[in-house]
Amino acid sequence: NAGVTQTPKFRVLKTGQSMTLLCAQDMNHEYMYWYRQDPGMGLRLIHYSVGEGTTAKGEVPDGYNVSRLKKQNFLLGLESAAPSQTSVYFCASLRRGGLGSYNEQFFGPGTRLTVL
Amino acid sequence: AQTVTQSQPEMSVQEAETVTLSCTYDTSESDYYLFWYKQPPSRQMILVIRQEAYKQQNATENRFSVNFQKAAKSFSLKISDSQLGDAAMYFCAYNLGNEKLTFGTGTRLTIIP
Repeated sequence: NAGVTQTPKFRVLKTGQSMTLLCAQDMNHEYMYWYRQDPGMGLRLIHYSVGEGTTAKGEVPDGYNVSRLKKQNFLLGLESAAPSQTSVYFCASLRRGGLGSYNEQFFGPGTRLTVL
Repeated sequence: AQTVTQSQPEMSVQEAETVTLSCTYDTSESDYYLFWYKQPPSRQMILVIRQEAYKQQNATENRFSVNFQKAAKSFSLKISDSQLGDAAMYFCAYNLGNEKLTFGTGTRLTIIP
């Protein structure tokens, strides 16, 4: 049971290049999330998905696209990278606790992206 | 919209002593969840402790405990017998269940040997 994994762990891009970050979870969770973490700002939600084939915008969606073609995978794409997208990106999936129990988000190890 | 405020960007504590990290939040909801996450230099987000708003009893997990004041919308974390491994960024977070986590800006905790 690997939990939530992210690929790659590090990446350097030039302005205008594109790339895709892959998030995978083996816990059969329906909900998945992409956050970005910037110094002094905590984690902010970019996009999320409530199930296979669905996506929705979060707090800071501009410049990103996502896809959830398979339940276990949630992809985050940057079509034309900008220096403002330099950040650490975290993926998370949600374990629903059911009646009387709480839901818990499990986080991947993060991807550090630098856009020059 | 819900907001989470951590007013202490940095804190330090002597090893074996006790430290309290502050968190306040703003919400109009009555049922919600509050969390403290630890982020060590490895970047991994680790759940430290959680609190359900409908529970009056403060949550505890070994050396970690919270002081949950619902009326004041305050959720502080107390770390007892601080250890070197406790050094990390600590984030307070809020959510309504299935929805996204709303994070505070974090408190960097340094442990002084």
